[in-house]
Amino acid sequence: GAVVSQHPSWVICKSGTSVKIECRSLDFQATTMFWYRQFPKQSLMLMATSNEGSKATYEQGVEKDKFLINHASLTLSTLTVTSAHPEDSSFYICSARDQGGSRYEKLFFGSGTQLSVL
Amino acid sequence: RKEVEQDPGPFNVPEGATVAFNCTYSNSASQSFFWYRQDCRKEPKLLMSVYSSGNEDGRFTAQLNRASQYISLLIRDSKLSDSATYLCVVNTNAGKSTFGDGTTLTVKP
Repeated sequence: GAVVSQHPSWVICKSGTSVKIECRSLDFQATTMFWYRQFPKQSLMLMATSNEGSKATYEQGVEKDKFLINHASLTLSTLTVTSAHPEDSSFYICSARDQGGSRYEKLFFGSGTQLSVL
Repeated sequence: RKEVEQDPGPFNVPEGATVAFNCTYSNSASQSFFWYRQDCRKEPKLLMSVYSSGNEDGRFTAQLNRASQYISLLIRDSKLSDSATYLCVVNTNAGKSTFGDGTTLTVKP
């Protein structure tokens, strides 16, 4: 089945640093990828939709300058948390749909990145 | 009102029990429906798609009621390994996926 690779799996950083998370579709092309954040015991919250070759679409309340998204190829999207602070500590997950599939196709998820900002 | 609402849970059941989760959606244009399972600090994994005619996969049965705009998941003969959070996911014809808040299931010996 389709595989989405996400790394790093976990990262600990100092407050004020930037952290980049990568999401790759390994065996399919994805014109659209999605980035979510999940706090403990809460559901996934969609942060933004990453579009290959164009600007990402951010959900209301998500700071564009804080969470930089780049989707430069059909198989790679990156999320950069800039000037991270402790309140940014969370579980970040990406997902993608197979471009060759129906728009109703199920989502394939990366394994998630646990970010801890000290 | 949330676009997708699930039973708040948590559900605590003994092994062997049958448990059912419901999920309602507000967008009548929703086209496809799924149940995902998520273990703690792991990514969601697709459990099963939900079809209008209803579908079964082993101990799991999913049903869709378009008229009432709800889907359900039935788990029979619960196993300890079924303990997880179950997420209801609804797709619109625009390709947008909306997640429910999840229902936590704990199966006890």
